[in-house]
Amino acid sequence: KAGVTQTPRYLIKTRGQQVTLSCSPISGHRSVSWYQQTPGQGLQFLFEYFSETQRNKGNFPGRFSGRQFSNSRSEMNVSTLELGDSALYLCASRSAGLAVRETQYFGPGTRLLVL
Amino acid sequence: QKEVEQDPGPLSVPEGAIVSLNCTYSNSAFQYFMWYRQYSRKGPELLMYTYSSGNKEDGRFTAQVDKSSKYISLFIRDSQPSDSATYLCAMKTVGNQFYFGTGTSLTVIP
Repeated sequence: KAGVTQTPRYLIKTRGQQVTLSCSPISGHRSVSWYQQTPGQGLQFLFEYFSETQRNKGNFPGRFSGRQFSNSRSEMNVSTLELGDSALYLCASRSAGLAVRETQYFGPGTRLLVL
Repeated sequence: QKEVEQDPGPLSVPEGAIVSLNCTYSNSAFQYFMWYRQYSRKGPELLMYTYSSGNKEDGRFTAQVDKSSKYISLFIRDSQPSDSATYLCAMKTVGNQFYFGTGTSLTVIP
């Protein structure tokens, strides 16, 4: 099976712009989660989508939003970019089936630099 | 207090050494425990996954969980330069909420 894919891999934006990141989960996986990773804060949970619905949300401002499509692919959008949004954005997928023991698998990430 | 505490290191060891990485947690709701390895500029890769107290071995890697002490460890035997990476511990509740440590940076010196 192909792993989780994310596009683009690298992005450079300026303050005030907006950005859209894309994630394709492992085939058959229905849940997609997004994380922000920075050296100081580590991995911080943004939100999780399942069946096109946001299931959980982390403690991020409303500038961060996402959506999921019927094929489970997901996009994340950040509006009015700030310097502090520079980070590695990771997408993770899991099957979200009945097994409570399942875990999640990460994509390679999109590295965003805000100037 | 953070839900998951992990010593950030950095940790530097000679090739062939035994490495011990540790995390502590405070939430009794955590029932599933994972270790991820993350190479520079890559996404985290699942290394070990366990859900019961005790040891789980996979090649040179052993994951240990002590639920009574709320403490998990990852041991790497015969460490190799290719093991140089950041190691993240992660924990999950039955409700599929994931929490991560901040990661320990490991360098294995040839």
